[in-house]
Amino acid sequence: QKEVEQNSGPLSVPEGAIASLNCTYSDRGSQSFFWYRQYSGKSPELIMSIYSNGDKEDGRFTAQLNKASQYVSLLIRDSQPSDSATYLCAVRKLVRGSTLGRLYFGRGTQLTVWP
Amino acid sequence: EAGVVQSPRYKIIEKKQPVAFWCNPISGHNTLYWYLQNLGQGPELLIRYENEEAVDDSQLPKDRFSAERLKGVDSTLKIQPAELGDSAVYLCASSPSLLESGELFFGEGSRLTVL
Repeated sequence: QKEVEQNSGPLSVPEGAIASLNCTYSDRGSQSFFWYRQYSGKSPELIMSIYSNGDKEDGRFTAQLNKASQYVSLLIRDSQPSDSATYLCAVRKLVRGSTLGRLYFGRGTQLTVWP
Repeated sequence: EAGVVQSPRYKIIEKKQPVAFWCNPISGHNTLYWYLQNLGQGPELLIRYENEEAVDDSQLPKDRFSAERLKGVDSTLKIQPAELGDSAVYLCASSPSLLESGELFFGEGSRLTVL
């Protein structure tokens, strides 16, 4: 079982719609949760982090965490064509022999926002 | 401020040949990571350094892969000999030491093709 599972998509939404991206993780001891965006041919960049249950909003982005269900989501409101990218869910968990834990990435969900 | 710099951006070699990748992290970032990213997959950690010490290298295939970070700044990742399955993007990332946020700053990556 993979540490982090994501639906690889592709997810296609029209401009102005809400895009919903989902992620589940296997270890209840996971501590911190992140969403990275990766444009085609580019490197990942952090867009959201969340550490406690509930919602966290930053502009058009909202991250949601439900530790009981081991579920993380990212909502993008008023989606724009420039949001078209792969969104990687990442989870930090403690591992033996590694201080600060280790960051595990999902395979990513490809999002296309069409005009 | 300059970002994480990697070279070469692209490398094509024949199997059984050696290859080396170089990374210069963001100035002041004591933590350096090497990740491997296969097509359609998320990044997977190979090794993490705190200054010049490798603190998490359990996922580095030590029979053919080696890494070093002399003087705690630049780092080199080497593969010898390369195999067909090593074709991937090798990402270097850095973060300030003891940063708990999970924000990694990635370089543009080195894309390796093994023929």
